[in-house]
Amino acid sequence: DAKTTQPPSMDCAEGRAANLPCNHSTISGNEYVYWYRQIHSQGPQYIIHGLKNNETNEMASLIITEDRKSSTLILPHATLRDTAVYYCIVRVAEYGNKLVFGAGTILRVKS
Amino acid sequence: GAGVSQSPSNKVTEKGKDVELRCDPISGHTALYWYRQSLGQGLEFLIYFQGNSAPDKSGLPSDRFSAERTGGSVSTLTIQRTQQEDSAVYLCASSLQGAITEAFFGQGTRLTVV
Repeated sequence: DAKTTQPPSMDCAEGRAANLPCNHSTISGNEYVYWYRQIHSQGPQYIIHGLKNNETNEMASLIITEDRKSSTLILPHATLRDTAVYYCIVRVAEYGNKLVFGAGTILRVKS
Repeated sequence: GAGVSQSPSNKVTEKGKDVELRCDPISGHTALYWYRQSLGQGLEFLIYFQGNSAPDKSGLPSDRFSAERTGGSVSTLTIQRTQQEDSAVYLCASSLQGAITEAFFGQGTRLTVV
């Protein structure tokens, strides 16, 4: 699987949009971009995934650049409960392919 | 149950003892993962079961660690002759097919080796 690069930490004001970047310059054509988050003392939680089109669900939006070498996870109205470690993962969506986490970005939402 | 269940939630053991950690995945999920998370650290992949395929054991840190998945459902992670560096939260996850589908995590077992 391709490697990802994320900033180690970011701050965001409560109520504002949180934009979390991820670089995956060596991504292959059949690799998807996944985002998970881990709130303190809990197991990770799936957020969203995409291949090349932008995606949106009830939690977040995922914007993938046209060349697919980077992406941004957007939390439109961050709350204090969104404070967590956010993981960007790229992986081939094939049967038998494991899920491996990197270091992630610590997002601190502040009032 | 509705989610991934792990037991025990907390385990304190003496150095040198063996421990068994249990994971009950979501019913029908064919993929099951084990991870380890030491205090303040990221998630370390340990082992991955996918259907009837041979498990991916590439993340197991030593031969003291082993895992089984019986009947394609419940999994047990065994740590033999525990060491203090084994102290961590052990997380289990399951997913429907292990590929594009999302993984659901349990709350983990906090293992403390004294």
